[in-house]
Amino acid sequence: SSELTQDPAVSVALGQTVRITCQGDSLRSYYASWYQQKPGLAPVLVIYGKNNRPSGIPDRFSGSTSRNTASLTITGAQAEDEADYYCNSRDSSGNHLGVFGTGTKVTVL
Amino acid sequence: QVQLQESGPGLVKPSQTLSLTCTVSGGSISSGTYFWNWIRQPAGKGLEWIGRIYTSGSTNYNPSLKSRVTISVDTSKNQFSLKLSSVTAADTAVYFCARAVVISSTISYADYWGQGSLVTVSS
Repeated sequence: SSELTQDPAVSVALGQTVRITCQGDSLRSYYASWYQQKPGLAPVLVIYGKNNRPSGIPDRFSGSTSRNTASLTITGAQAEDEADYYCNSRDSSGNHLGVFGTGTKVTVL
Repeated sequence: QVQLQESGPGLVKPSQTLSLTCTVSGGSISSGTYFWNWIRQPAGKGLEWIGRIYTSGSTNYNPSLKSRVTISVDTSKNQFSLKLSSVTAADTAVYFCARAVVISSTISYADYWGQGSLVTVSS
């Protein structure tokens, strides 16, 4: 299937660690990319490939993959990390960017 | 610094065709190995990939929208465009254009996005 499932919401205390997961069959074959989206703004790429951060993304963001699950970890969460996070990968038809995860709302307490 | 900017009508009547253009600045749309994408997001909901075009003109579309979508490119204007026909209220969304980088068969990502354009389908 071409579905990527994420928990709808997670919360984390300021300075603590939170892991966001993304499950789907396509992740057995393709790496996920992860996007952060704040209200009213376009998504921003935070992780791609095995565990790569674009320039300007803090190193508290990291990624990993195991079997059909991709994870995004924020180590030492900051107030500005409160946002929606989406995973993405190729879909079952092979389309790059073809399927997005359902999204996770991260609240920093 | 590459920038993308969507433009087009903010209101479309039901059954008509939605048309949007994405203008790329800060770099040539023809340079590099990039795909140019349209992605949408209904209010309060998640992201949905609509389709993409390569500068050769080859396209791929989301199977759920394929019968209604056409994406084209105009390299002379550094633009690519989206047409979505027979729209209904369910097509009301913010529409983003985005550049995708394909590193390998297993790694791809969208590194530059437009700010988004709200399109409302209503009579």
